[in-house]
Amino acid sequence: LAKTTQPISMDSYEGQEVNITCSHNNIATNDYITWYQQFPSQGPRFIIQGYKTKVTNEVASLFIPADRKSSTLSLPRVSLSDTAVYYCLVGSYNQGGKLIFGQGTELSVKP
Amino acid sequence: EAGVTQFPSHSVIEKGQTVTLRCDPISGHDNLYWYRRVMGKEIKFLLHFVKESKQDESGMPNNRFLAERTGGTYSTLKVQPAELEDSGVYFCASSAMGQGNYYGYTFGSGTRLTVV
Repeated sequence: LAKTTQPISMDSYEGQEVNITCSHNNIATNDYITWYQQFPSQGPRFIIQGYKTKVTNEVASLFIPADRKSSTLSLPRVSLSDTAVYYCLVGSYNQGGKLIFGQGTELSVKP
Repeated sequence: EAGVTQFPSHSVIEKGQTVTLRCDPISGHDNLYWYRRVMGKEIKFLLHFVKESKQDESGMPNNRFLAERTGGTYSTLKVQPAELEDSGVYFCASSAMGQGNYYGYTFGSGTRLTVV
């Protein structure tokens, strides 16, 4: 399973766009890139997943360059409620593989 | 659709006692996982069930931990006897077969275990 590296923490202000970059130099051909969000006292919550190029849903966008060695989670116009830890994970989960969590990025949104 | 339910949400026990954590996955999800986070550390994988069978138990720390999933529905994780280092938050997650790459895994809110 590919190891991921992401910033330990980030600060932002309400209304700004936040981009969290994750590097995964050893990503395998079958691997997908998945981001989870975790609020205090809750379990991680799946927010977005992609394989290449760009994926967008109602919560976030995920940008993946052609070499797939990194990815960027983009949160548009963050609010205080987006304060959470964001985890970048890489793997192939169709067969139910285990998730390997890193330290994640602790995002703090200030008013 | 009900989510993944874990109980108790909190448990405080003395060293040497036994504690049993329970997880009810989303109905129909064959995959069930246990993870835990100890203080200051990353979330670590413990065990993976496919229906009632243990698919991967490589993360179980030692033989004081016993996980079961009778009938392929809910699962229990028993710690006996509990030690101080077992304190942490235990998460359960579930997913449908073949859909991990599309919808991710659904986690419960966790059980916070404190061993004193």
